[in-house]
Amino acid sequence: QQQVKQSPQSLIVQKGGISIINCAYENTAFDYFPWYQQFPGKGPALLIAIRPDVSEKKEGRFTISFNKSAKQFSLHIMDSQPGDSATYFCAASNLGSQGNLIFGKGTKLSVKP
Amino acid sequence: KAGVTQTPRYLIKTRGQQVTLSCSPISGHRSVSWYQQTPGQGLQFLFEYFSETQRNKGNFPGRFSGRQFSNSRSEMNVSTLELGDSALYLCASSLVRQGRSYEQYFGPGTRLTVT
Repeated sequence: QQQVKQSPQSLIVQKGGISIINCAYENTAFDYFPWYQQFPGKGPALLIAIRPDVSEKKEGRFTISFNKSAKQFSLHIMDSQPGDSATYFCAASNLGSQGNLIFGKGTKLSVKP
Repeated sequence: KAGVTQTPRYLIKTRGQQVTLSCSPISGHRSVSWYQQTPGQGLQFLFEYFSETQRNKGNFPGRFSGRQFSNSRSEMNVSTLELGDSALYLCASSLVRQGRSYEQYFGPGTRLTVT
């Protein structure tokens, strides 16, 4: 029940295209869903996060879509750029988990010029 | 504002030794969480500290321990190192609102290699 399942493991997108990464969870107590971006040799950087009271949140080229009934959420990267090439992690947490983010296994995104 | 800093950035240790890693959170952040990142297991939660108290602990053996100081800086210690402890150890800090931490900001990590 504590897992967050992320897909795909890797993704190749052309420059200017849309990158879509999906995550699914089982624990209905989760109420905070962040996405992180990690470049080689760096720590994960917080990109965008959503709470289950909204179905979509947009920040620049990054959008989270959230489907509470399906227990799924996804990250859309519009107009993907080579500089977006990185590993992306979804995560989830719930009240009482105190600082414990449950992470997906990651998606390695490669944006081709 | 300065980000989360971790020292050292790289460490090479021998099996059986112990190691201490340090983390300085973003100014004003009082919650510090530690994670282990490996290619096989991904990012796994070790423990979280707030106001010098461990509030939560992940599923790791007792060889992994930590503490937090009054200035919110944190250290983690791994005793009797095993080859499988080779990993990137990440520290993340966050503000706490109504007793709960939300946005976690990660440091660059300490790359530990056990030989």
